[in-house]
Amino acid sequence: NAGVMQNPRHLVRRRGQEARLRCSPMKGHSHVYWYRQLPEEGLKFMVYLQKENIIDESGMPKERFSAEFPKEGPSILRIQQVVRGDSAAYFCASSPTMTGGEATNEKLFFGSGTQLSVL
Amino acid sequence: QKEVEQDPGPLSVPEGAIVSLNCTYSNSAFQYFMWYRQYSRKGPELLMYTYSSGNKEDGRFTAQVDKSSKYISLFIRDSQPSDSATYLCAMRAYNTDKLIFGTGTRLQVFP
Repeated sequence: NAGVMQNPRHLVRRRGQEARLRCSPMKGHSHVYWYRQLPEEGLKFMVYLQKENIIDESGMPKERFSAEFPKEGPSILRIQQVVRGDSAAYFCASSPTMTGGEATNEKLFFGSGTQLSVL
Repeated sequence: QKEVEQDPGPLSVPEGAIVSLNCTYSNSAFQYFMWYRQYSRKGPELLMYTYSSGNKEDGRFTAQVDKSSKYISLFIRDSQPSDSATYLCAMRAYNTDKLIFGTGTRLQVFP
């Protein structure tokens, strides 16, 4: 049973280009989270998705960032017109059940991340 | 002021030492507390999970939560070089899916 798969592991983009980060959750998991980790900072929540639904996007920048988790295929985090400040490690996590309350949010399984570098 | 404060370290200890890692927080609504371990260029891995105040033990690891002081700790007994990693505390309030992470403490255990 493969873990959470993220690709690419490293992505280099020039300013103004688009970045697409992919995340395949663990088998049987239908809940996906994206976190961003800047150097010397902790992980920051970005968005929580279920299949075909965005549940919580309160951590997403208002512009240029979008996320989806289609019925078929991986979850995609898309960053348009990247700027140098977008350089960071982007981690995806999945869980088998919904979160909040007494739910098993703690059973988050993280991928190895995509390191985005913007030149 | 950050919601969660964590000393970034690095913390360097000899093999076999007892390690104490700590976080403080400001949001009294936090009820669920976790510790993650992150090796270089890897994703975080859940180590311990506790609900509300109290202690929880798992092998060489003990997690403590003191909600009255808004202070959580992770103790590692008989530390091993393989414990060398960054340790992240994380917490959340009831009825939210959003984890708030500390910045992480880098731990190095030397033989």
